[in-house]
Amino acid sequence: AQKITQTQPGMFVQEKEAVTLDCTYDTSDPSYGLFWYKQPSSGEMIFLIYQGSYDQQNATEGRYSLNFQKARKSANLVISASQLGDSAMYFCAMREPNTGRRALTFGSGTRLQVQP
Amino acid sequence: GAVVSQHPSRVICKSGTSVKIECRSLDFQATTMFWYRQFPKQSLMLMATSNEGSKATYEQGVEKDKFLINHASLTLSTLTVTSAHPEDSSFYICSARTREDTQYFGPGTRLTVL
Repeated sequence: AQKITQTQPGMFVQEKEAVTLDCTYDTSDPSYGLFWYKQPSSGEMIFLIYQGSYDQQNATEGRYSLNFQKARKSANLVISASQLGDSAMYFCAMREPNTGRRALTFGSGTRLQVQP
Repeated sequence: GAVVSQHPSRVICKSGTSVKIECRSLDFQATTMFWYRQFPKQSLMLMATSNEGSKATYEQGVEKDKFLINHASLTLSTLTVTSAHPEDSSFYICSARTREDTQYFGPGTRLTVL
């Protein structure tokens, strides 16, 4: 089974509107961390937001918020007030520290295009 | 935030040659670094985990004799692609783990093998 599933290969959004990028995950470990990264065409991985499995509140960072629904194992990224510069690939990732695996497992990504 | 550098950012080499990619943590010590590979329009796939002072741990399907990893210090890990072939052309990204278990990514190295 896929550890991280991003079902939207591509998304379009109008400038200034909000957009939700989907991410579901699969783990039996009660302790895990979920991440979202942005990858522009330059290739660098830009950290956006983090949600720990025991965090009581949804994470927020500026225009980014994470809609964490633990029972459904989903961690959707919400970008409010989209900007042209938000056009990029977005990756959801998970870390399962109790497995001894410190590396991140990435989803397949969603390409977001913000239209003027 | 912490900074991780990679060098070179872009390299083109002939088939059969070896290429070394450096990953440095500039302002923190990283006992663990990770090497990922990303093919065009695909996700990042972990190749290996590099631990300072010990042998790297490779993911299944990654040839350790082809992708040599050396983590000689707490701020430097190197990935050497030996006898490179066109199918090794890819984007290679490293990340470095801090003591607080945060990971920072390097800017990546685009390898093209002719």
